[in-house]
Amino acid sequence: AQTVTQSQPEMSVQEAETVTLSCTYDTSESDYYLFWYKQPPSRQMILVIRQEAYKQQNATENRFSVNFQKAAKSFSLKISDSQLGDAAMYFCAYRSLYTGANSKLTFGKGITLSVRP
Amino acid sequence: GAGVSQSPSNKVTEKGKDVELRCDPISGHTALYWYRQSLGQGLEFLIYFQGNSAPDKSGLPSDRFSAERTGGSVSTLTIQRTQQEDSAVYLCASSLSNQNIQYFGAGTRLSVL
Repeated sequence: AQTVTQSQPEMSVQEAETVTLSCTYDTSESDYYLFWYKQPPSRQMILVIRQEAYKQQNATENRFSVNFQKAAKSFSLKISDSQLGDAAMYFCAYRSLYTGANSKLTFGKGITLSVRP
Repeated sequence: GAGVSQSPSNKVTEKGKDVELRCDPISGHTALYWYRQSLGQGLEFLIYFQGNSAPDKSGLPSDRFSAERTGGSVSTLTIQRTQQEDSAVYLCASSLSNQNIQYFGAGTRLSVL
């Protein structure tokens, strides 16, 4: 079974600064997807970024980028130029590449990010 | 609809009562997932539907929990004889197929008194 670990329960960043959220995972599979989801107080989970394990290039989406280290099973999220609207809970998630019953997401415990004005 | 819709947004019930939670997925999405988010356990998978069938029910915590999906669209999660430990946010997600990105609803916050 796959596990996802987010060891930092809370982090804080100054507005306009950069912050990195950590995530590690454990799997015996060679191909899979990794995700970062954002959950604001509205509760609706929003996809921030996705990484395919078979791609060596790190995914980027505007101010969001990842550092994917497959051998180390590490998948951190970097938020540049932090904005007040980035304050939320962030979840790292894993999903198997293959079809069938393994398409569920396995989540870490999440990290609460606060942004100081 | 434009997104995944869940109702009710909040539900307060008494211990021992049955509750039904509804999920209306994005139109055309064949895959539908239920997850539970609680303080102690984080986000846990409950059940996955492909069309109207449920190939993976492995996350349902007890036989008090059941779910169905009709017409390949709306899904209902039913909890019978609710217990205080059932208090949580129940999230629904849908995707175009089981290989695509999952889009989430805003969840139902269930409080069992």
